[in-house]
Amino acid sequence: KQEVTQIPAALSVPEGENLVLNCSFTDSAIYNLQWFRQDPGKGLTSLLLIQSSQREQTSGRLNASLDKSSGRSTLYIAASQPGDSATYLCAVRRETSGSRLTFGEGTQLTVNP
Amino acid sequence: KAGVTQTPRYLIKTRGQQVTLSCSPISGHRSVSWYQQTPGQGLQFLFEYFSETQRNKGNFPGRFSGRQFSNSRSEMNVSTLELGDSALYLCASSLASGPYEQYFGPGTRLTVT
Repeated sequence: KQEVTQIPAALSVPEGENLVLNCSFTDSAIYNLQWFRQDPGKGLTSLLLIQSSQREQTSGRLNASLDKSSGRSTLYIAASQPGDSATYLCAVRRETSGSRLTFGEGTQLTVNP
Repeated sequence: KAGVTQTPRYLIKTRGQQVTLSCSPISGHRSVSWYQQTPGQGLQFLFEYFSETQRNKGNFPGRFSGRQFSNSRSEMNVSTLELGDSALYLCASSLASGPYEQYFGPGTRLTVT
C-alpha cells in the first residue's frame, strides 16, 4: 500500500527566504508525482507534475525534483512571498491506477512579511 | 477554458438523509475523480469515472456511490448520512490518458448534523 509522508507538517519563514518542502513515498512504482497548493477552505491548485522518468520540473519560482529510486521529492520555493502562504500537498500516481492520486498530509507554509 | 465546477458549494444535512453532489469537468476531460478531505484523514480517493464507467474505487462503504453522464458530468451520492461524512468533497478532472494531470474544483462543503 502506497504511503506518502510530508515533512515538516508546518513551516513559518520570513519573506524572501528560500525554502524546501519534502515528500517521501513508500512504493517506488509510481507513474508521476504532482504538487498542489491549497488555500484555506478552497480546492487544490496544481503547481507541478513530474513524470517518473524526469528528475525535475520548474515553473517560475518553483522547482520540483524527483528521486524515484529513493522515494523522495522536494519542492523548492525561491524568494518566498506572503502570497505563498498555503498548504502544499504532494500526491503520487501509481503505474496501474489511472488518474488516482495518493496524497500526503501536507505542509502548512506561512510566509511572514 | 472554464475550470471544474461543483455544485452546491455548501450543504447542511441531517443524519440519515441522503445527498447528491454534482461536478462538471473541464471541457474535453473525460475522466472525473472524487476525493473526500477531512482534518483527521486528509485527502482520500473515493472513485474515478471514465466513459460512464467506474474505473477505480477507493476504500469507502457502499453508501458512497457515483455516476457519470454521457457529457462527462458526474454526480456522487451519499446515503444514510453519518456525522463522520462531514467533509470537503473535491472533484477532479483529467484527460483519459497519461499523464493524467488532475485539475480540481472548489469543492462542496458538507456538514452533517
